[in-house]
Amino acid sequence: ETGVTQTPRHLVMGMTNKKSLKCEQHLGHNAMYWYKQSAKKPLELMFVYNFKEQTENNSVPSRFSPECPNSSHLFLHLHTLQPEDSALYLCASSQGGAAYSNQPQHFGDGTRLSIL
Amino acid sequence: QKEVEQNSGPLSVPEGAIASLNCTYSDRGSQSFFWYRQYSGKSPELIMSIYSNGDKEDGRFTAQLNKASQYVSLLIRDSQPSDSATYLCASRRGSTLGRLYFGRGTQLTVWP
Repeated sequence: ETGVTQTPRHLVMGMTNKKSLKCEQHLGHNAMYWYKQSAKKPLELMFVYNFKEQTENNSVPSRFSPECPNSSHLFLHLHTLQPEDSALYLCASSQGGAAYSNQPQHFGDGTRLSIL
Repeated sequence: QKEVEQNSGPLSVPEGAIASLNCTYSDRGSQSFFWYRQYSGKSPELIMSIYSNGDKEDGRFTAQLNKASQYVSLLIRDSQPSDSATYLCASRRGSTLGRLYFGRGTQLTVWP
């Protein structure tokens, strides 16, 4: 398996549920990202992890909780979400470290999340 | 403040024509620029990156960068119906890891 894999591809949950999104990359990268893509809006960066350490939180509400146990895996834990959180959630990875800061990011296919 | 702006389109061109996609950015500290293609229901796929002023060609695709004008463009020669997608322009500041700014995307339709 190659590239960036996200599961599940689709998720429907109620506002009181707790669920997790999973991302796995097989590219040997050290930096991983969560993005949110809503209809008619630009991709929004949510979190950045570099060598398992969170380096950026783009003012994301606490109902979204990321976890990065190692450089290949990234999770997004969800709880008490709101209807406006319905969107496509994309994971991406790239080479980590300042020396590779210009390297492009490679995206997974995303999880389409619908909040009832 | 919008960091990256693109014409939302839709842009419609006939098969075999040149499609021209434009992007402007507001942050003069931006150093890296990327074009992603996103098919409906799919993830963004990197098709071009450009870091220096001038043109960069890769097959039917040419990226153009003009840092003085803060302008990036993507030309698609000999457009094919399979090129129909949304094209996202993204910029990155200096050495800040992860801080990619995306435009809203331009929807391109290539008709046979």
